[in-house]
Amino acid sequence: DIQMTQSPSTLSASVGDRVTITCRASQYISTFLAWYQQKPGTAPKLLIYKASNLESGVPSRFSGSGSGTEFTLTISSLQPDDFATYYCQQYNNYSGVFGPGTKVDIK
Amino acid sequence: QLQLQESGPGLLKPSETLSLTCTVSGGFITSRGYYWGWIRQPPGKGLEWIGSIYYSGNTYYNPSLKSRVTISVDTSKNQFSLELNSVTAADTAVFYCARHGMLPNPIDSWGQGTLVTVSS
Repeated sequence: DIQMTQSPSTLSASVGDRVTITCRASQYISTFLAWYQQKPGTAPKLLIYKASNLESGVPSRFSGSGSGTEFTLTISSLQPDDFATYYCQQYNNYSGVFGPGTKVDIK
Repeated sequence: QLQLQESGPGLLKPSETLSLTCTVSGGFITSRGYYWGWIRQPPGKGLEWIGSIYYSGNTYYNPSLKSRVTISVDTSKNQFSLELNSVTAADTAVFYCARHGMLPNPIDSWGQGTLVTVSS
């Protein structure tokens, strides 16, 4: 079974900071990786698909990179609306495993 | 605009069967190329994919839950449903219904989620 890990689990940052979150897969998943943003009490929202493709309507300060087993989500200049939890998900196979999440909070 | 809405009991006792329905509006559950799935999130924890179904009835499930899960579809009502039997307190979670394309495609639409609590 594919396992997904994320680091860090919590990240404290200030508005304007550049933020990077890492996601690792235990097996090769090509670029079949998505990033979601979740705010308290709401459903996750798709940000990035196929590792680096920005979903329509998502601000360009979000970007993704990586392939194989290591991936990153970068927020170039953190905005107040970006304080949330971020999850990666592999969709290379039918297990659809999510990472454990990274909470971005205010420093 | 596609909308998904979960419905079902919010409180169950241990050993009972959880039954939830997702009603799809603004689109057709028979749309080719899309699967309809369920994801759950225990309070304060991460996301766990439960399983998905195609309008034809083809399903696939999380192996860790497969023995207790059934997902079905009712194309006449534009709905799909989840049954999880023999629930315990560990099954307490917010349950989301969602849509994703055929593999390999991510989840692109989510319902708002419904909290199901298992307690005696």
